[in-house]
Amino acid sequence: AQSVAQPEDQVNVAEGNPLTVKCTYSVSGNPYLFWYVQYPNRGLQFLLKYITGDNLVKGSYGFEAEFNKSQTSFHLKKPSALVSDSALYFCAVTRPGFQKLVFGTGTRLLVSP
Amino acid sequence: DAMVIQNPRYQVTQFGKPVTLSCSQTLNHNVMYWYQQKSSQAPKLLFHYYDKDFNNEADTPDNFQSRRPNTSFCFLDIRSPGLGDAAMYLCATSRDPGDEQYFGPGTRLTVT
Repeated sequence: AQSVAQPEDQVNVAEGNPLTVKCTYSVSGNPYLFWYVQYPNRGLQFLLKYITGDNLVKGSYGFEAEFNKSQTSFHLKKPSALVSDSALYFCAVTRPGFQKLVFGTGTRLLVSP
Repeated sequence: DAMVIQNPRYQVTQFGKPVTLSCSQTLNHNVMYWYQQKSSQAPKLLFHYYDKDFNNEADTPDNFQSRRPNTSFCFLDIRSPGLGDAAMYLCATSRDPGDEQYFGPGTRLTVT
Protein backbone atom coordinates (compact mmCIF):
# COMPACT_ATOMS: atom_id res chain seq x y z
CA ALA A 1 0.00 0.00 0.00
CA GLN A 2 1.05 3.55 -0.65
CA SER A 3 1.03 6.31 1.93
CA VAL A 4 2.32 9.83 2.39
CA ALA A 5 3.01 11.73 5.59
CA GLN A 6 3.21 15.49 5.88
CA PRO A 7 4.24 15.93 9.50
CA GLU A 8 3.57 19.67 9.76
CA ASP A 9 0.07 21.09 9.62
CA GLN A 10 1.49 24.56 9.14
CA VAL A 11 4.83 26.12 8.27
CA ASN A 12 5.53 29.76 9.00
CA VAL A 13 8.34 31.62 7.29
CA ALA A 14 9.27 35.24 6.74
CA GLU A 15 9.35 36.61 3.21
CA GLY A 16 12.80 36.27 1.68
CA ASN A 17 13.78 33.33 3.86
CA PRO A 18 14.15 29.80 2.54
CA LEU A 19 11.25 27.45 3.05
CA THR A 20 10.93 23.70 3.40
CA VAL A 21 7.73 21.67 3.44
CA LYS A 22 8.32 18.10 4.50
CA CYS A 23 7.00 14.89 2.96
CA THR A 24 7.82 11.26 3.59
CA TYR A 25 6.38 8.35 1.71
CA SER A 26 5.89 4.62 1.81
CA VAL A 27 5.45 2.60 -1.36
CA SER A 28 6.32 -0.84 -2.62
CA GLY A 29 8.52 -0.49 -5.62
CA ASN A 30 9.68 2.70 -7.29
CA PRO A 31 7.77 5.80 -6.28
CA TYR A 32 6.34 8.51 -8.47
CA LEU A 33 6.17 11.61 -6.28
CA PHE A 34 4.31 14.86 -6.80
CA TRP A 35 3.76 18.23 -5.19
CA TYR A 36 0.60 20.25 -5.65
CA VAL A 37 -0.42 23.68 -4.37
CA GLN A 38 -3.95 24.82 -3.63
CA TYR A 39 -5.06 28.42 -3.23
CA PRO A 40 -8.36 29.22 -1.48
CA ASN A 41 -11.45 28.05 -3.36
CA ARG A 42 -9.38 26.71 -6.22
CA GLY A 43 -8.37 23.34 -7.55
CA LEU A 44 -4.94 21.87 -7.04
CA GLN A 45 -2.10 23.05 -9.25
CA PHE A 46 0.72 20.72 -10.24
CA LEU A 47 4.14 22.01 -9.11
CA LEU A 48 6.63 19.25 -9.86
CA LYS A 49 7.19 15.52 -9.98
CA TYR A 50 9.88 12.91 -9.52
CA ILE A 51 9.77 9.81 -11.67
CA THR A 52 13.39 8.85 -12.11
CA GLY A 53 16.77 10.42 -12.70
CA ASP A 54 18.22 13.44 -10.92
CA ASN A 55 17.25 13.55 -7.27
CA LEU A 56 16.76 17.32 -7.38
CA VAL A 57 13.65 18.24 -9.29
CA LYS A 58 12.84 21.78 -10.33
CA GLY A 59 9.28 22.93 -10.80
CA SER A 60 7.01 25.91 -11.20
CA TYR A 61 7.32 29.25 -9.39
CA GLY A 62 10.90 28.60 -8.26
CA PHE A 63 10.06 25.51 -6.21
CA GLU A 64 12.24 22.44 -6.13
CA ALA A 65 12.16 19.13 -4.31
CA GLU A 66 14.78 16.62 -3.36
CA PHE A 67 14.16 12.92 -3.59
CA ASN A 68 15.98 10.97 -0.88
CA LYS A 69 15.53 7.24 -1.26
CA SER A 70 17.30 6.24 1.94
CA GLN A 71 15.13 8.57 4.01
CA THR A 72 12.02 8.00 1.86
CA SER A 73 11.52 11.73 1.71
CA PHE A 74 10.56 14.27 -0.93
CA HIS A 75 10.76 17.69 0.74
CA LEU A 76 9.62 20.79 -1.11
CA LYS A 77 11.97 23.76 -1.01
CA LYS A 78 12.30 27.31 -2.21
CA PRO A 79 15.35 29.52 -1.64
CA SER A 80 13.42 32.73 -1.04
CA ALA A 81 9.77 32.70 0.01
CA LEU A 82 7.16 35.16 -1.27
CA VAL A 83 3.99 36.26 0.49
CA SER A 84 2.13 34.96 -2.56
CA ASP A 85 3.46 31.46 -1.83
CA SER A 86 1.05 31.27 1.12
CA ALA A 87 -1.25 28.36 0.30
CA LEU A 88 -1.99 24.72 1.06
CA TYR A 89 0.58 22.23 -0.22
CA PHE A 90 -0.06 18.55 -0.88
CA CYS A 91 2.47 15.80 -1.46
CA ALA A 92 1.27 12.73 -3.36
CA VAL A 93 2.65 9.35 -4.34
CA THR A 94 1.87 6.61 -6.78
CA ARG A 95 3.81 3.81 -8.41
CA PRO A 96 4.09 2.36 -11.91
CA GLY A 97 0.94 0.54 -12.92
CA PHE A 98 -1.14 2.09 -10.13
CA GLN A 99 -3.95 4.24 -11.38
CA LYS A 100 -4.40 6.75 -8.62
CA LEU A 101 -2.54 9.21 -6.42
CA VAL A 102 -2.37 8.94 -2.65
CA PHE A 103 -2.30 12.39 -1.09
CA GLY A 104 -0.85 13.58 2.16
CA THR A 105 -2.95 15.57 4.59
CA GLY A 106 -1.55 18.86 3.40
CA THR A 107 0.64 21.57 4.92
CA ARG A 108 -0.45 25.17 5.15
CA LEU A 109 2.38 27.55 4.32
CA LEU A 110 2.13 31.04 5.72
CA VAL A 111 4.68 33.58 4.51
CA SER A 112 4.70 36.79 6.50
CA PRO A 113 5.82 40.14 5.04
CA ASP B 1 -5.39 27.26 -23.43
CA ALA B 2 -5.96 23.59 -22.74
CA MET B 3 -7.72 23.19 -19.47
CA VAL B 4 -10.15 21.42 -17.17
CA ILE B 5 -13.48 23.19 -16.77
CA GLN B 6 -16.04 22.58 -14.08
CA ASN B 7 -19.60 23.85 -14.05
CA PRO B 8 -21.10 25.29 -12.04
CA ARG B 9 -18.53 26.75 -9.66
CA TYR B 10 -21.12 26.93 -6.91
CA GLN B 11 -24.15 24.69 -6.59
CA VAL B 12 -26.86 24.81 -3.96
CA THR B 13 -29.25 21.89 -3.71
CA GLN B 14 -31.86 20.72 -1.27
CA PHE B 15 -31.55 17.69 0.92
CA GLY B 16 -32.51 14.66 -1.18
CA LYS B 17 -32.75 16.53 -4.49
CA PRO B 18 -30.58 14.98 -7.22
CA VAL B 19 -27.76 17.11 -8.53
CA THR B 20 -25.30 16.76 -11.40
CA LEU B 21 -21.88 18.35 -11.59
CA SER B 22 -20.06 18.54 -14.88
CA CYS B 23 -16.45 18.49 -15.98
CA SER B 24 -14.95 18.98 -19.40
CA GLN B 25 -11.39 18.92 -20.66
CA THR B 26 -9.57 20.12 -23.72
CA LEU B 27 -6.38 18.21 -22.90
CA ASN B 28 -7.53 15.01 -24.61
CA HIS B 29 -6.41 13.04 -21.58
CA ASN B 30 -7.33 9.40 -21.15
CA VAL B 31 -8.07 9.48 -17.45
CA MET B 32 -10.65 11.58 -15.61
CA TYR B 33 -11.03 11.63 -11.83
CA TRP B 34 -13.61 12.88 -9.35
CA TYR B 35 -12.52 13.89 -5.87
CA GLN B 36 -14.39 15.11 -2.84
CA GLN B 37 -12.59 17.63 -0.62
CA LYS B 38 -13.79 18.90 2.74
CA SER B 39 -12.37 21.76 4.81
CA SER B 40 -8.85 21.87 3.37
CA GLN B 41 -8.43 18.14 3.89
CA ALA B 42 -6.72 15.94 1.34
CA PRO B 43 -8.85 15.25 -1.73
CA LYS B 44 -10.67 11.93 -1.47
CA LEU B 45 -10.92 9.97 -4.69
CA LEU B 46 -14.47 8.90 -5.48
CA PHE B 47 -13.89 7.19 -8.83
CA HIS B 48 -12.07 7.52 -12.10
CA TYR B 49 -12.38 6.60 -15.73
CA TYR B 50 -9.47 5.23 -17.70
CA ASP B 51 -10.86 5.80 -21.17
CA LYS B 52 -14.25 4.05 -20.90
CA ASP B 53 -13.31 1.82 -17.99
CA PHE B 54 -14.98 2.91 -14.78
CA ASN B 55 -13.12 2.41 -11.50
CA ASN B 56 -15.07 2.93 -8.31
CA GLU B 57 -13.36 3.35 -4.94
CA ALA B 58 -14.50 0.75 -2.42
CA ASP B 59 -15.68 3.35 0.09
CA THR B 60 -17.55 5.58 -2.34
CA PRO B 61 -21.22 5.60 -1.33
CA ASP B 62 -23.77 4.24 -3.82
CA ASN B 63 -25.34 7.68 -3.73
CA PHE B 64 -22.54 8.87 -6.01
CA GLN B 65 -22.56 7.89 -9.67
CA SER B 66 -20.58 9.00 -12.69
CA ARG B 67 -20.90 9.08 -16.45
CA ARG B 68 -18.35 9.69 -19.14
CA PRO B 69 -20.20 9.94 -22.46
CA ASN B 70 -17.08 10.86 -24.42
CA THR B 71 -13.42 11.70 -23.94
CA SER B 72 -14.06 15.33 -23.12
CA PHE B 73 -16.89 15.17 -20.60
CA CYS B 74 -17.46 13.52 -17.25
CA PHE B 75 -20.39 13.96 -14.89
CA LEU B 76 -20.86 13.39 -11.18
CA ASP B 77 -24.40 12.54 -10.14
CA ILE B 78 -25.45 12.66 -6.50
CA ARG B 79 -28.76 10.89 -6.34
CA SER B 80 -29.95 11.98 -2.91
CA PRO B 81 -27.63 14.54 -1.38
CA GLY B 82 -27.31 14.59 2.37
CA LEU B 83 -25.92 17.34 4.55
CA GLY B 84 -22.68 15.38 4.79
CA ASP B 85 -22.19 15.63 1.04
CA ALA B 86 -21.57 19.35 1.21
CA ALA B 87 -18.02 19.75 -0.02
CA MET B 88 -15.79 20.91 -2.83
CA TYR B 89 -15.86 18.49 -5.75
CA LEU B 90 -12.76 18.43 -7.88
CA CYS B 91 -12.39 17.00 -11.35
CA ALA B 92 -8.92 16.10 -12.59
CA THR B 93 -7.41 14.57 -15.69
CA SER B 94 -4.16 12.86 -16.58
CA ARG B 95 -2.81 11.62 -19.87
CA ASP B 96 -2.27 8.17 -18.45
CA PRO B 97 -2.48 6.60 -14.98
CA GLY B 98 0.50 7.63 -12.89
CA ASP B 99 1.01 10.89 -14.77
CA GLU B 100 0.55 14.24 -13.13
CA GLN B 101 -3.04 15.26 -12.76
CA TYR B 102 -4.52 18.55 -13.87
CA PHE B 103 -7.35 19.85 -11.75
CA GLY B 104 -10.34 21.99 -12.52
CA PRO B 105 -11.29 24.89 -10.24
CA GLY B 106 -13.84 22.78 -8.39
CA THR B 107 -17.56 22.99 -7.67
CA ARG B 108 -18.55 23.94 -4.16
CA LEU B 109 -21.74 22.09 -3.26
CA THR B 110 -24.02 23.34 -0.52
CA VAL B 111 -26.90 21.17 0.72
CA THR B 112 -29.74 22.93 2.48
